[in-house]
Amino acid sequence: QKEVEQNSGPLSVPEGAIASLNCTYSDRGSQSFFWYRQYSGKSPELIMSIYSNGDKEDGRFTAQLNKASQYVSLLIRDSQPSDSATYLCAVNMEDTGNQFYFGTGTSLTVIP
Amino acid sequence: GAVVSQHPSRVICKSGTSVKIECRSLDFQATTMFWYRQFPKQSLMLMATSNEGSKATYEQGVEKDKFLINHASLTLSTLTVTSAHPEDSSFYICSARGLAGELFFGEGSRLTVL
Repeated sequence: QKEVEQNSGPLSVPEGAIASLNCTYSDRGSQSFFWYRQYSGKSPELIMSIYSNGDKEDGRFTAQLNKASQYVSLLIRDSQPSDSATYLCAVNMEDTGNQFYFGTGTSLTVIP
Repeated sequence: GAVVSQHPSRVICKSGTSVKIECRSLDFQATTMFWYRQFPKQSLMLMATSNEGSKATYEQGVEKDKFLINHASLTLSTLTVTSAHPEDSSFYICSARGLAGELFFGEGSRLTVL
């Protein structure tokens, strides 16, 4: 059973639209949640972290966490072609030695 | 955020040779660094946890004698792929934790074994 699951996509949205990326996780004891962006051929880049239930906004990005539903999402407003990348959800699971677990990523394409 | 630097970014070698990849934390001290491997269109796979001054902890299925990890200082960890073969060709990425517990990644090293 996968610890962190994401829809692999591809997800396509027109420029200016809202892109919604979703992630579910299996460990109820997880405390820290992260979204990374990875361009093709590059290493992941941290774009958002969230630690408590609710929404966290940073510019065009909003992370949403619902621990009861074991669900974390990332909204990208006013999507730009430069947002086209793979988005990785990561969960820090304390009951497994404080390791990070990554989803397989969702490929996003923003169409000009 | 924290800066992690990795070198070389690309390396091509002949089968049977060894390749060393360096990972440095530039503006902070990292007692622990993590080495990942990523095959095309797949997610990150944790290979090992590098601990400063002690032995690395390897994930199940990762050969410790093939992937040698040395973490001799608080700012440098190295991964040596010994006797590399074509199936070792992959994207190797190191990372270290920032103060808030988040992971910061190096630029990655793309290894091609001919």
